[in-house]
This record gives sequence, structure tokens and C-alpha cells, in this order.
Amino acid sequence: DQQVKQNSPSLSVQEGRISILNCDYTNSMFDYFLWYKKYPAEGPTFLISISSIKDKNEDGRFTVFLNKSAKHLSLHIVPSQPGDSAVYFCAANGVKIIFGKGTRLHILP
Amino acid sequence: DSGVTQTPKHLITATGQRVTLRCSPRSGDLSVYWYQQSLDQGLQFLIQYYNGEERAKGNILERFSAQQFPDLHSELNLSSLELGDSALYFCASSVGGVRADTQYFGPGTRLTVL
Repeated sequence: DQQVKQNSPSLSVQEGRISILNCDYTNSMFDYFLWYKKYPAEGPTFLISISSIKDKNEDGRFTVFLNKSAKHLSLHIVPSQPGDSAVYFCAANGVKIIFGKGTRLHILP
Repeated sequence: DSGVTQTPKHLITATGQRVTLRCSPRSGDLSVYWYQQSLDQGLQFLIQYYNGEERAKGNILERFSAQQFPDLHSELNLSSLELGDSALYFCASSVGGVRADTQYFGPGTRLTVL
């Protein structure tokens, strides 16, 4: 049973526009959420995180929104750049960390 | 470069064999985590060590074991290998062992079981 779901395996966005990546979770005991970015042949790289006591966290072009009642979080990238093309993993931390399967983001020129 | 090193980069072996994957954490990091990424799967957390002691366990099979040594490097031992064990194995490290710690990932070891 997948506790962390990224329902879109891939997403294509025009350069300069907003990219929105979504993640749903089922376990209300999760209290810390993270996004990682992964390029081919490299390990994942930490991007941004949010504690369950917050509903928004911003870092430059990246903003994570958390909706606890809907058990949903999203990552917004504005504006999208070619270097943002990668696989993005959502992760939730409770007793142990659980990762989603990832969303492949393509930034189109 | 995350500062986390993993060896070997690639490993090809046969079913029934045993292999050892090695990880050196970033300088100063006390926690080491192991993950498995199979085809079409997300990252599956296997196990965490903190300063030489097991801290948390995930979906690690009984055929797999790990340890963290006094110099803080870690090894993941996979035995009685099956075709389904073919995957990317990542090691990550963090300063402490708490949830809010950022984990820094190594480049991974690609294991192919034939």
C-alpha cells in the first residue's frame, strides 16, 4: 500500500511558466515532508522541506504548500528553467521516511 | 558533489551470490541511510545507522544486512541474491539522525543480478 503517491509519472512545462508537482499521502502521522530532485546517473538532491506545523515554505523559485486536511502537498517552481528538467521525489517522514515514485519534469524551450 | 561516496559504481553478479556495497558519509555526518530503487519504484528506505548503532529499519529483507564502522563508513551486505534484487542502491548521510536533517545522497551503486 503506497503511503506517498505521486500520481503524475511525467509533466511537461514551457520554460518560464510555473511547474506544479503534486503529492498525496495517507498517513496522518507524517510530520515532515521533503522534495528531492534527481538527475540521471546521480543521487537525489534535497530541494526543500516543510514541517506539518506550517502550510507554506519558500526558497527562491521553489515553494512547497501543505494541505493537511487533504493530505496533499505540492511543489511550485516559478519560473521554470531548462535545468529543472529532472525527476522529483516527494517524501514524508514519520517513524521512517517514505518516498513517492517520482514525477519526471520536462521543461520545454 | 554531495560528499558521499559509494563503491563500486556498478556490480554484476549471479543469483545466489553475496555482495558488499560500501558507503563513506560526508565528513562530520554521523547518520548513514541505505535505500533501494528498483525499476518503476520510488526509493525504498532500507535501514539507518547513527554513530555505529542501528537507528531505524525499513523494508530490509532478512537476506540483507548492514553495519556502520567506528570510522563511520557503512557497508550493506546482500546475500543469496535473486533476480529481483537488481536495483540502484543509494547511501545517504546526515549530520544527526532527526527527521529534519537534510540527507545527502551518494551517486549510487547499480547492482545487476543475472
